[in-house]
Amino acid sequence: RKEVEQDPGPFNVPEGATVAFNCTYSNSASQSFFWYRQDCRKEPKLLMSVYSSGNEDGRFTAQLNRASQYISLLIRDSKLSDSATYLCVVNKAGTYKYIFGTGTRLKVLA
Amino acid sequence: ETGVTQSPTHLIKTRGQQVTLRCSSQSGHNTVSWYQQALGQGPQFIFQYYREEENGRGNFPPRFSGLQFPNYSSELNVNALELDDSALYLCASSLLGGTFYEQYFGPGTRLTVT
Repeated sequence: RKEVEQDPGPFNVPEGATVAFNCTYSNSASQSFFWYRQDCRKEPKLLMSVYSSGNEDGRFTAQLNRASQYISLLIRDSKLSDSATYLCVVNKAGTYKYIFGTGTRLKVLA
Repeated sequence: ETGVTQSPTHLIKTRGQQVTLRCSSQSGHNTVSWYQQALGQGPQFIFQYYREEENGRGNFPPRFSGLQFPNYSSELNVNALELDDSALYLCASSLLGGTFYEQYFGPGTRLTVT
């Protein structure tokens, strides 16, 4: 089993739709969680850190479920510019090693 | 922009050669991590440097080595290049000792080994 798993997609959604991604992790002692966005042939950019209580930034909401070992990202009112690959990142407990999922590709259609 | 810079942006090398990639961290950050990203995959952790010492390593052979300098910039060296080393190499800087260890990436170096 991979340490961090994501559905690769692609998720094709119309503009204005709400879309949600999940990411599961295998190490229950993991401590820090992040969502990054990566555009084609560019570097990953930090989208959100995921706090235990969940957090929201505009149209984006991140949740952490420690009992089921997954994090989620919800995007409301999708824009064409949201089209990208969304990477889930988990910090390996006791280290500063960050483990990336393979990413979920989102395509927002006009 | 993150303020993390990498050089060169692109590089073509021949199998068996050696390569050095460079990274300048964001101002105020003290830690640099290196990642390898193959096409269609997420970044894979190579190693991290903190206070000029290796602070953790992923599953990469010893021919992948690095350095961190007093100004926190860093180098990644790869010896005896193999075709499978072709990838995007990313460095990320962070502030160890902060609350959440958020990492900020540079634009990457795209390495092609022929």
